[in-house]
Amino acid sequence: NAGVMQNPRHLVRRRGQEARLRCSPMKGHSHVYWYRQLPEEGLKFMVYLQKENIIDESGMPKERFSAEFPKEGPSILRIQQVVRGDSAAYFCASSSGEGTEAFFGQGTRLTVV
Amino acid sequence: AQKITQTQPGMFVQEKEAVTLDCTYDTSDPSYGLFWYKQPSSGEMIFLIYQGSYDQQNATEGRYSLNFQKARKSANLVISASQLGDSAMYFCAMREGSGGYQKVTFGTGTKLQVIP
Repeated sequence: NAGVMQNPRHLVRRRGQEARLRCSPMKGHSHVYWYRQLPEEGLKFMVYLQKENIIDESGMPKERFSAEFPKEGPSILRIQQVVRGDSAAYFCASSSGEGTEAFFGQGTRLTVV
Repeated sequence: AQKITQTQPGMFVQEKEAVTLDCTYDTSDPSYGLFWYKQPSSGEMIFLIYQGSYDQQNATEGRYSLNFQKARKSANLVISASQLGDSAMYFCAMREGSGGYQKVTFGTGTKLQVIP
């Protein structure tokens, strides 16, 4: 039973490029959460999605960031026109939505050069 | 107001000794859950222990126990018999509400270093 899978583990982008981060939730989980961890900080909530729906995007920056969780396939966090300040670890978590804990993936470390 | 407060940016503990990592929380929701995660230098987030607001007993998982004091709104993590592999960042987190929504708020973390 595979855990939450995130890829890539490491991603390097030049300023102005697009970054696409993927998250495959645990089998049977239909709830996905994205968090961002800036260097030396805790995790900050970004967005919560269920299949094909964004439930809460209160933590998402207003511009350049978007997320989706299609009916088929992984959840995608997309950052357009990346800037140096986007460099961070991005974690995805999934849950079954039944009040149990969310399981985290290993994160994607984005470096913008 | 901060939802989760971890006042110890860094802690040292001697190998084989016990250590307590502090966490206080703030919520008006009667239903909530408290978590501790470990983040080693490799970066992954490892779930350690969970305490529900209605749980009568303090949670324990092996060498980890959660000292849950509801009236004081504290949820300290106790690690017994520290090992070198316990050196890591530790994050306290809280989920508010019941049901499916799992938005979790994290504290700023405590860096634990175990000394041989």
